Amino acid sequence: QVQLVESGGGVVQPGRSLRLSCAASGFSFSGYGMHWVRQAPGKGLEWVALISYDGSNAHYADSVKGRFTISRDNSKNTVDLQMNSLRPEDTALYYCAKDSRRLMVVAPFDYWGQGTTVTVSS
Amino acid sequence: DIQLTQSPSSLSASVGDRVTITCQASQDISNYLNWYQQKPGKAPKLLIFDASNLQTGVPSRFSGSGSGTDFTFTISSLQPEDIATYYCQQYDNLPPYTFGQGTRLEIK
Repeated sequence: QVQLVESGGGVVQPGRSLRLSCAASGFSFSGYGMHWVRQAPGKGLEWVALISYDGSNAHYADSVKGRFTISRDNSKNTVDLQMNSLRPEDTALYYCAKDSRRLMVVAPFDYWGQGTTVTVSS
Repeated sequence: DIQLTQSPSSLSASVGDRVTITCQASQDISNYLNWYQQKPGKAPKLLIFDASNLQTGVPSRFSGSGSGTDFTFTISSLQPEDIATYYCQQYDNLPPYTFGQGTRLEIK
């Protein structure tokens, strides 16, 4: 069965960096786009970043562009989110999510991990 | 960027009621509209994709309709386990793939 397991969250001071990772299993990872979506405490869902199935394309929300970098390793079935210059408003539960259609630029997100919490505070 | 306006933001209904949530896009997104259910403390779950298609394994009491800018999500007969927050999401063309602000559904 499909599993997405996020890790790497924690408490970090403003301006510092953190790297999240999502380990995928149960599907042909290299065929699907992957996303990061976040949810601030008590708030709604915010799409953060997308990486295409082959890693050739990445897109970001304006709120993180230039600070966050999404990457993937299809040999290890992992997708990472490098977060630099963190701000208090980046505090959130970060979910990894999978596209539902193989080899598409983007598709509905059919599987989600349980999330990893990032807290940015001095 | 495409904005999605969901309404209502919260809703209280009785078991067995028909429940309807609307989502309006700021521009034409064809049928690139999905609906997700998020129960407290859980990850979101895809219920409806491409405006009106039921995801595998989702009960048939859930449905969606619409195209262009106006979309509707319906629960035909509310069940206690449907208590959750529901989000619409668009994935037309270029990112960002925005979500609506959510509708919190409670049992009356």
